[in-house]
Amino acid sequence: AQTVTQSQPEMSVQEAETVTLSCTYDTSESDYYLFWYKQPPSRQMILVIRQEAYKQQNATENRFSVNFQKAAKSFSLKISDSQLGDAAMYFCAYRSARGGGADGLTFGKGTHLIIQP
Amino acid sequence: EPEVTQTPSHQVTQMGQEVILRCVPISNHLYFYWYRQILGQKVEFLVSFYNNEISEKSEIFDDQFSVERPDGSNFTLKIRSTKLEDSAMYFCASISWGAFSTEAFFGQGTRLTVV
Repeated sequence: AQTVTQSQPEMSVQEAETVTLSCTYDTSESDYYLFWYKQPPSRQMILVIRQEAYKQQNATENRFSVNFQKAAKSFSLKISDSQLGDAAMYFCAYRSARGGGADGLTFGKGTHLIIQP
Repeated sequence: EPEVTQTPSHQVTQMGQEVILRCVPISNHLYFYWYRQILGQKVEFLVSFYNNEISEKSEIFDDQFSVERPDGSNFTLKIRSTKLEDSAMYFCASISWGAFSTEAFFGQGTRLTVV
């Protein structure tokens, strides 16, 4: 079974600064997908960014980028120019590519990101 | 923009009662999911559903739980006899056809409180 580990229960960053959230995962599969989801106080899960394991290039979405290290099974999220609206819980998630759409997401425990004004 | 909708947003039920949580996935999506998040904990996969049958289920999804798609739009999660430990946020999600579309769209969740 796959596991996802987020070792930082809470992170704090000054507004406009850069912060990196860590995520490691364990799998024996070679083909999979990785995601970062944001959960604001409203509790809705919002996709921030995704990475396909077969792609070597790191994904970027505006101020959000990832550092995907497949051999190390590491998938960190970098948020540049942090904004107050970035304050939320951030969950790293894994999904196997093996079963088509059948497999659900495996989530980490989350990192609570605090933005200091 | 299409979205997954869940009703109700909050439900309070007596222990031992049956509850049905409802979801309307995005119309052209074919894989549907239920997830659970106990307060302060991580989101956990319960079940996936495709072509009117369960595709995968986790250990959490025991005989107390069932899912169905009673018509062409709704997707429901039923808990037959609720326990205190069933109190959680329940999220519905859906994915469009094929593994090529990897993004799961989540609903806003239903907060279930069992008293």
